Amino acid sequence: DAGVTQSPTHLIKTRGQQVTLRCSPKSGHDTVSWYQQALGQGPQFIFQYYEEEERQRGNFPDRFSGHQFPNYSSELNVNALLLGDSALYLCASSLQGRPEAFFGQGTRLTVV
Amino acid sequence: QKEVEQDPGPLSVPEGAIVSLNCTYSNSAFQYFMWYRQYSRKGPELLMYTYSSGNKEDGRFTAQVDKSSKYISLFIRDSQPSDSATYLCAMVNTGNQFYFGTGTSLTVIP
Repeated sequence: DAGVTQSPTHLIKTRGQQVTLRCSPKSGHDTVSWYQQALGQGPQFIFQYYEEEERQRGNFPDRFSGHQFPNYSSELNVNALLLGDSALYLCASSLQGRPEAFFGQGTRLTVV
Repeated sequence: QKEVEQDPGPLSVPEGAIVSLNCTYSNSAFQYFMWYRQYSRKGPELLMYTYSSGNKEDGRFTAQVDKSSKYISLFIRDSQPSDSATYLCAMVNTGNQFYFGTGTSLTVIP
């Protein structure tokens, strides 16, 4: 079992650009959540996808959007990047209705 | 007021010590209480979780929840240098949305 995998591991983008991050959930999991973790802080919930729909959303602007595919994998898109978007982006997968969420290793995004 | 408060530390203890990590929360609707361990530059790793007041033990780790005080703790017995990491508490609401603390940095000195 490969666990939760995220790509890429590191990314450097210029302010104003757009970025797409990818996540493959743990085998058997159907729910994917995305988190932003700034340095020295705990992860902040961005949104959750289940059955290819956004089910819940945290306090993030519309510049953050996502998608879930039929195979349960997911993408996080961020438009019009700001310097403050620099963070570790984490994907967590779970089985709908179960609390156990397993995280990937994250994508380190740097906006310059 | 933040949903979850956690002392960021850092905490430094000698090998073999008992470690106590704590979080408080404000929302009485939280239904699950999670503990994650995060090594530097890695994703959080689920250690254990509980859903009711009381204690839950798993090896050297004990999770304790006091819903009346909105207070949770993680105890690590016989701490090892490999336990050196950041420990994150997370509270989960009925929609399975996670609210994390800021994390406590722990160093176990050999």
